[in-house]
Amino acid sequence: EAQVTQNPRYLITVTGKKLTVTCSQNMNHEYMSWYRQDPGLGLRQIYYSMNVEVTDKGDVPEGYKVSRKEKRNFPLILESPSPNQTSLYFCASSLSAGSNYGYTFGSGTRLTVV
Amino acid sequence: AQKITQTQPGMFVQEKEAVTLDCTYDTSDQSYGLFWYKQPSSGEMIFLIYQGSYDEQNATEGRYSLNFQKARKSANLVISASQLGDSAMYFCAMREGERDDKIIFGKGTRLHILP
Repeated sequence: EAQVTQNPRYLITVTGKKLTVTCSQNMNHEYMSWYRQDPGLGLRQIYYSMNVEVTDKGDVPEGYKVSRKEKRNFPLILESPSPNQTSLYFCASSLSAGSNYGYTFGSGTRLTVV
Repeated sequence: AQKITQTQPGMFVQEKEAVTLDCTYDTSDQSYGLFWYKQPSSGEMIFLIYQGSYDEQNATEGRYSLNFQKARKSANLVISASQLGDSAMYFCAMREGERDDKIIFGKGTRLHILP
């Protein structure tokens, strides 16, 4: 089944403890992105990647890192999480620039930083 | 300035009625794409419909249609014959240009379908 897989689905962590949210897609998509969703703010892009070893900042990149060493994987790293990073995170992928199908989204990761 | 504006935070509509969800956008690019996504209470994001800036006809997908008015920079989603399962959050989104894949989302409209 074609899908974007995120793990974990739920995570509660403490301030300052490094964490990684994994994202993997099996559709051979070139483009991958991370978004965070907060009430009243919609979805805001954190980072995106147009291909292996190519990443760019989105609108809210502070406090996050990403890497794209393989086409299928695009992990999101929080080196020192803070409570304002409590949010619902989505990984998404798309076939290519200009694709008519937009993104295929993962199921989301609900992160709580205490 | 917001790139994507959804002016209706919430809507209540009677089952079987048609629904129009508003979306206006702001871009200086000639080439762009507009999307609508549905997010049910379970949380997943579901792609509904796409409209390219050069498409002359309004996009349709089953009960969904996109009322694209380019001069007004408007891309409203129309759901015909609404169903209880249409209750969800709906997001309008835009991709500017064709080279990269940065998609910007509006803040969403929560639609409630009443039995």
